[in-house]
Amino acid sequence: QKEVEQDPGPLSVPEGAIVSLNCTYSNSAFQYFMWYRQYSRKGPELLMYTYSSGNKEDGRFTAQVDKSSKYISLFIRDSQPSDSATYLCAISNTGNQFYFGTGTSLTVIP
Amino acid sequence: DGGITQSPKYLFRKEGQNVTLSCEQNLNHDAMYWYRQDPGQGLRLIYYSQIVNDFQKGDIAEGYSVSREKKESFPLTVTSAQKNPTAFYLCASSIVQGEGYTFGSGTRLTVV
Repeated sequence: QKEVEQDPGPLSVPEGAIVSLNCTYSNSAFQYFMWYRQYSRKGPELLMYTYSSGNKEDGRFTAQVDKSSKYISLFIRDSQPSDSATYLCAISNTGNQFYFGTGTSLTVIP
Repeated sequence: DGGITQSPKYLFRKEGQNVTLSCEQNLNHDAMYWYRQDPGQGLRLIYYSQIVNDFQKGDIAEGYSVSREKKESFPLTVTSAQKNPTAFYLCASSIVQGEGYTFGSGTRLTVV
């Protein structure tokens, strides 16, 4: 079983829609959770970072961690064409070695 | 501006050759990492280093080597022992363990 599973999509939504991106993980010891955005042929950039459980909000982005279900989510409100990218989740128990999801490809249509 | 610089952006290698990918950061980060990204797979950790002159193997270290002689630099050598080296290589750094990574823009290596 993989440490983290992520639906690769692709996901296509109209501009202004709410987007929900999700990952599931296998090890209940994981406690570091991150979301990255990666544009084509670029390095990933950190969007959200949470430790342990709960929600975190930053502008149009909200990250949620449900440790009982071993499920993390990233919500994007009022999605924009500039949000079109691949979104990667990353999870760790030690903070040294992160396990990355395969990424979900998102296209926001104007 | 602070950041991570990876060079070259594109690299072509003949089979049987070693090649070194450069990674330099001016963020004063202690930890540095090398990941490999293949289509349909998540990023996989090759090596990481938390302090100068020390580094640890990740999940897929076979066929790769690294050095950390300076805090700012963490070069990766892809040796001829790596059987499937064609991939997108990403270098990252972080200020402390568990904090978010800053990634470079990557090096795309192709074996010809």
